Amino acid sequence: EADIYQTPRYLVIGTGKKITLECSQTMGHDKMYWYQQDPGMELHLIHYSYGVNSTEKGDLSSESTVSRIRTEHFPLTLESARPSHTSQYLCASSDTGVWTEKLFFGSGTQLSVL
Amino acid sequence: GQNIDQPTEMTATEGAIVQINCTYQTSGFNGLFWYQQHAGEAPTFLSYNVLDGLEEKGRFSSFLSRSKGYSYLLLKELQMKDSASYLCAVSGNYGQNFVFGPGTRLSVLP
Repeated sequence: EADIYQTPRYLVIGTGKKITLECSQTMGHDKMYWYQQDPGMELHLIHYSYGVNSTEKGDLSSESTVSRIRTEHFPLTLESARPSHTSQYLCASSDTGVWTEKLFFGSGTQLSVL
Repeated sequence: GQNIDQPTEMTATEGAIVQINCTYQTSGFNGLFWYQQHAGEAPTFLSYNVLDGLEEKGRFSSFLSRSKGYSYLLLKELQMKDSASYLCAVSGNYGQNFVFGPGTRLSVLP
């Protein structure tokens, strides 16, 4: 079944560690996104990609980086985690064409940095 | 830039009808979307309006007026499972200008 997957679901890590949040989709979508969301707050776009080797920063400044080497894979990396990075990170994908902004979201990664 | 406003919270009774409003100001317009998000879960797509008027989908309907920068989501025959946040999202110029509003937290009471 076509879907979008995020791992890990929960992550607790110490300050200064390097972490990578994984996101994969099997829908063949060209567009992929990373959003950050604090509890009860709005979604903020931190990175997006329109295809392989294409990555852009979003509206919210972030110390994370992303890569898009394969269509289905869009990992997000924090080189040195800090408590201010504690948040939920949501990955999404969408197709091109008329329904380009119909986003399909993964289940999210809840990150806690101690 | 883009600005989207929604009420922060709403409360309604099971079986009733509720209307969640959304006003927006954007540079360009490609469409308006409504998403539902249950606590601790990812958003799921509900509806999409690109032209003025009402789009009906079962118990959910969404209305758009582009000249007024206004949309609403109408939920009929409310059920307890409809308790969630409802996010209004607008696509401005093609591509990256897709912005979510702050969301409206709806509580359905028995």
